Amino acid sequence: QLQLQESGPRLVKPSETLSLTCTVSGDSVTNNHHYWAWIRQPPGKGLEWLGTIYHRGTTYYNPSLRSRLSMSVDTSRNQLSLVLTSVPAADTGVYFCARHSKAALVTPFDMWGQGILVTVSS
Amino acid sequence: QSALTQPASVSGSPGQSIKIYCTGTPGDVGGYDSVSWFQQHPGKAPKIIIYDVSNRPSGVSSRFSGSKSGNTASLTVSGLQDEDEGDYYCCSYSRTNTVLFGGGTKLTVL
Repeated sequence: QLQLQESGPRLVKPSETLSLTCTVSGDSVTNNHHYWAWIRQPPGKGLEWLGTIYHRGTTYYNPSLRSRLSMSVDTSRNQLSLVLTSVPAADTGVYFCARHSKAALVTPFDMWGQGILVTVSS
Repeated sequence: QSALTQPASVSGSPGQSIKIYCTGTPGDVGGYDSVSWFQQHPGKAPKIIIYDVSNRPSGVSSRFSGSKSGNTASLTVSGLQDEDEGDYYCCSYSRTNTVLFGGGTKLTVL
């Protein structure tokens, strides 16, 4: 049974770096059948796609975050990683990792993690 | 990139049907049959209820249906039930190799 679990610091200071990990169980991040994504949701607001990654190195980023965002895959730990630099308070929100149903950006997010609330505050 | 456009809220009485619209452009909703819909309850992760415009994942009630005309997709919830109350988001692939979400619609069951 596929499960995705986000983890990382829940409080980050403004201008510092936000780093999150998504541990995947019940599937392999290196399988050739799925892309993997990060999505966030500011408190009381809507969903925002951050980016998508394929284990072979292909990445797609939200243009509004591209200069601050980096995603990677740790194949040995079966994890996804997200790094967001120089964070302002507006980066506060619940961060979700999710799986695309196939290895294509056009496919839907069929599985989601429970999300982790990250607050940017001094 | 702009988010897809959804109404902020809709409401209906138990047993009634409601429709939520999601408007995009020819570069996203209108250009691809990749619209999906998600249901989200407070404090929970979104759950997919419609994919590829009109397909329901296994286990999703047949009371949920989706369609598309031009640049606008729609989600219909028929036979409203109390548990349908929540937030609904549309989502589409965009030709700029990005993914767009709608702003979300709060469904209230009266």
